[in-house]
Amino acid sequence: GAGVSQSPSNKVTEKGKDVELRCDPISGHTALYWYRQSLGQGLEFLIYFQGNSAPDKSGLPSDRFSAERTGGSVSTLTIQRTQQEDSAVYLCASSLGEANEKLFFGSGTQLSVL
Amino acid sequence: AQTVTQSQPEMSVQEAETVTLSCTYDTSESDYYLFWYKQPPSRQMILVIRQEAYKQQNATENRFSVNFQKAAKSFSLKISDSQLGDAAMYFCALDSNSGYALNFGKGTSLLVTP
Repeated sequence: GAGVSQSPSNKVTEKGKDVELRCDPISGHTALYWYRQSLGQGLEFLIYFQGNSAPDKSGLPSDRFSAERTGGSVSTLTIQRTQQEDSAVYLCASSLGEANEKLFFGSGTQLSVL
Repeated sequence: AQTVTQSQPEMSVQEAETVTLSCTYDTSESDYYLFWYKQPPSRQMILVIRQEAYKQQNATENRFSVNFQKAAKSFSLKISDSQLGDAAMYFCALDSNSGYALNFGKGTSLLVTP
């Protein structure tokens, strides 16, 4: 595609429910990142995928968060048993996989946990 | 640990004027990269400018330039001839030791008035 695509754009859920957020990176980009942006805060790194290597999950805040990337392309971020503090914008980015290079971001998913 | 600090939560500038956004950082690395990203209301982060720490020359991209003071660990962004379309959140970011997971500041909201 022309850019990084994320869906849904907005998601409202009830506390305790599971949610899945989807990211479709730019074709040919081997690196994929998930960040979380809480209100009034900067971006918090969550997870990084690079090709077929094991992902760097060091930023995931709890074991309720998980992510996978199928076929080196589409990625899904899953949050189980959502809590109100999970409310945030979840941003996905992709790149060609070289260190310190430009990231291409999607428009994010605004998650609201009631 | 690496930190990025943006001390100006909000800034305002008149159209056609110049504004400078501040950023300070801390890192134990001698070689690293610094970035400014713009986030408009669409939420899609866009790279504005990138600076390599080992380069003495300040990076410039059209109306955007940086003042990189390595000894002071300062990385400010200057926007010249401000336009209404420059209104957005601006985030300063520093690469992590891994070279791919960026550390972001909390952002500066820039308002451009006619």
